[in-house]
Amino acid sequence: AQTVTQSQPEMSVQEAETVTLSCTYDTSESDYYLFWYKQPPSRQMILVIRQEAYKQQNATENRFSVNFQKAAKSFSLKISDSQLGDAAMYFCAYRSFGSGNSGYALNFGKGTSLLVTP
Amino acid sequence: KAGVTQTPRYLIKTRGQQVTLSCSPISGHRSVSWYQQTPGQGLQFLFEYFSETQRNKGNFPGRFSGRQFSNSRSEMNVSTLELGDSALYLCASRHGGADTQYFGPGTRLTVL
Repeated sequence: AQTVTQSQPEMSVQEAETVTLSCTYDTSESDYYLFWYKQPPSRQMILVIRQEAYKQQNATENRFSVNFQKAAKSFSLKISDSQLGDAAMYFCAYRSFGSGNSGYALNFGKGTSLLVTP
Repeated sequence: KAGVTQTPRYLIKTRGQQVTLSCSPISGHRSVSWYQQTPGQGLQFLFEYFSETQRNKGNFPGRFSGRQFSNSRSEMNVSTLELGDSALYLCASRHGGADTQYFGPGTRLTVL
């Protein structure tokens, strides 16, 4: 089974600064998807960014970008120009490419709580 | 498009009772997955339904079951509730294939 590790339980960043959240994963598959989800205090899980493993180019979405290192099995999230609204729990998630043993289930890390200070 | 909706949003039950949670996916989405979120275990996959068929199941006891209707709405049922079943239950839908899963707001279940 694939495991996802987020080694930073908590992170803090000042408004307008940049912060990077770490994620590593373990898999024997060559094709898969990686995601970052954000869960604010409302508990609604919101997709932040998605990366297909077969794409070498790192995904970006406005202020959010990833550093995907396939060989190192690393998938970090960079948030630029941090805003107060970015404060939330951030989850890294892995999903297999096809409908094999894991199907389309998401494997989540334990999450990183991001605090944004004025 | 309306997002994923879940009802009820909050529920309080006592041990031994059973509970049914409902999830309506985004219009056009045929797949519904369920996840349990607890402080101790984090987010864990329960099961996935696609076109009324269970496609995959997580490592949960048989007390946890689900179904999907022809309109893609899904229900999950937990029988003989235990204190440890207290959790946030999240539903996610996707259109199909490699599409991304979009989550609902969750149902907070408290078992007393």
